[in-house]
Amino acid sequence: RKEVEQDPGPFNVPEGATVAFNCTYSNSASQSFFWYRQDCRKEPKLLMSVYSSGNEDGRFTAQLNRASQYISLLIRDSKLSDSATYLCVVSGGATNKLIFGTGTLLAVQP
Amino acid sequence: ETGVTQTPRHLVMGMTNKKSLKCEQHLGHNAMYWYKQSAKKPLELMFVYSLEERVENNSVPSRFSPECPNSSHLFLHLHTLQPEDSALYLCASSPGTGSSQPQHFGDGTRLSIL
Repeated sequence: RKEVEQDPGPFNVPEGATVAFNCTYSNSASQSFFWYRQDCRKEPKLLMSVYSSGNEDGRFTAQLNRASQYISLLIRDSKLSDSATYLCVVSGGATNKLIFGTGTLLAVQP
Repeated sequence: ETGVTQTPRHLVMGMTNKKSLKCEQHLGHNAMYWYKQSAKKPLELMFVYSLEERVENNSVPSRFSPECPNSSHLFLHLHTLQPEDSALYLCASSPGTGSSQPQHFGDGTRLSIL
């Protein structure tokens, strides 16, 4: 089983749509959780951290379910500029080792 | 305007060449990392440095040799690479190595081995 699993997509959605990405992780001792965004041929950039109580940043909402070892990202009112690969990332341990999922590709279409 | 700068952006080399990748961070961070990203695979952590000391080596072949002369600079020395080493090599930094601290990535060096 992969340490972090994501649906690779692609998710093709029209502008204005709401889209949700899911992610599961295998290590129950994981401590920190993030969503990163990676544009084509660019570096990953932190989108948001994910907290147990859930957190929102504008159109983006992240949720964490520790019991199910499940993380989600909801994007409302999708924009063309949201098109990218969204990486689910889990961290834990003394050396802040980040474990990346393979990413979910989102294509927002006009 | 990334705070982590990598050079070169692109590198093509033969299997017998020796080259080095350079990373510099301007964020005052104490930890630096090398990752490898191959097509259709998740990012793979290669090395972790904390305060210039290597704290993790993820079973990386010896043809990759990291060097961290100070907390702002990180190098990856390459020699006798194989075609399967072609990938995007990403450098990252973070304030420390605590698990809650996200990492900031450079633009990467796209490496092609002929």
